[in-house]
Amino acid sequence: GENVEQHPSTLSVQEGDSAVIKCTYSDSASNYFPWYKQELGKGPQLIIDIRSNVGEKKDQRIAVTLNKTAKHFSLHITETQPEDSAVYFCAASLEGSARQLTFGSGTQLTVLP
Amino acid sequence: DVKVTQSSRYLVKRTGEKVFLECVQDMDHENMFWYRQDPGLGLRLIYFSYDVKMKEKGDIPEGYSVSREKKERFSLILESASTNQTSMYLCASTTAGGNTGELFFGEGSRLTVL
Repeated sequence: GENVEQHPSTLSVQEGDSAVIKCTYSDSASNYFPWYKQELGKGPQLIIDIRSNVGEKKDQRIAVTLNKTAKHFSLHITETQPEDSAVYFCAASLEGSARQLTFGSGTQLTVLP
Repeated sequence: DVKVTQSSRYLVKRTGEKVFLECVQDMDHENMFWYRQDPGLGLRLIYFSYDVKMKEKGDIPEGYSVSREKKERFSLILESASTNQTSMYLCASTTAGGNTGELFFGEGSRLTVL
């Protein structure tokens, strides 16, 4: 089955700096890569996703890049703000197969004022 | 606004007790999930249901069972709770098929087994 590794497990950045979280996956058949953000006391929420037919996707301050050859994908947050502090999870699956979604171990991002 | 509601946010139970965790969604989603969240292990799938009365085992089903008698409700059952089931439990739902694959999560139920 799919195996997703996520690094780092914790990340602290100064407000305004950029943050990068990296994930690798094992199953070359995976073609859907979402990122979820979990704020304290809440459930995870989808913030951005990418499919294997594109290499990069942006949504305001967040972007995700995908390297299918190397089987890794990354989340980039620019101009970080205190409200970006949360746990971030990457995941991988075959598109449309939520049953097979495999999550990474999570990254606790702390944005320091 | 879409909503997945988990009835109990915090529970404390004793070893051997039977535990019910309830989840209700108001989005008419076909698919519902129970995940377990532990530090350093991410989210691991316990059980999945794709229709009323239909279920599939996830990656860590041992010690758990589920019930889906109505489309909007999915229950997780611990027949005899053990201390290693102390964890955060997350319910999620999503529509069948489609391209988004977005999971909608509840706020979680933190279970402590003494």
